[in-house]
Amino acid sequence: AQKITQTQPGMFVQEKEAVTLDCTYDTSDQSYGLFWYKQPSSGEMIFLIYQGSYDEQNATEGRYSLNFQKARKSANLVISASQLGDSAMYFCAMRPGSARQLTFGSGTQLTVLP
Amino acid sequence: EAGVAQSPRYKIIEKRQSVAFWCNPISGHATLYWYQQILGQGPKLLIQFQNNGVVDDSQLPKDRFSAERLKGVDSTLKIQPAKLEDSAVYLCASSPLARPSGAYNEQFFGPGTRLTVL
Repeated sequence: AQKITQTQPGMFVQEKEAVTLDCTYDTSDQSYGLFWYKQPSSGEMIFLIYQGSYDEQNATEGRYSLNFQKARKSANLVISASQLGDSAMYFCAMRPGSARQLTFGSGTQLTVLP
Repeated sequence: EAGVAQSPRYKIIEKRQSVAFWCNPISGHATLYWYQQILGQGPKLLIQFQNNGVVDDSQLPKDRFSAERLKGVDSTLKIQPAKLEDSAVYLCASSPLARPSGAYNEQFFGPGTRLTVL
């Protein structure tokens, strides 16, 4: 069975600073994909970034980067230069090679302070 | 490009009543998903369609939940009868034709329907 663990229920960060949101995963599959989604209070899930298990370089998308440490089975999200609009729930998700659907973690509520 | 549309946005019903949710995916997306998100948790997949066929409904409580996707486009999710524990946000998502396992396949989510069962 696949499992995603996000150990930080809530995080605070000062505006313009960087923040790291933790995510660890468990799977026996060799091929899998890791995703991060943002869910603002409006409820919609917004895709942020993707990392494939065979990708050698860490994924980056603008202010978002994924710190992928395969041996430790971790896929932490780094947000640089936080903005007030970054305040939201953040979910880590995995799509293992043997399954078609996403398995989500429990999320981290990020609050950016002015 | 229009996003995934869902209606209604909010619904309040009493237990044992019936309710239905509607989803219109992004045009051309072959795969459609329904997720249940209970407060404080991540979304959990209920059912996945590819075109108008069911790919995975292993986590759908089939004694009370049903879903269909007519003509491979719109989809409806029904709960009959509702229980208190069905209170949640129901998210619909769509993606292009599912690729081989592990490959990148972004899912686009709708705004969700917040269901409250009293």
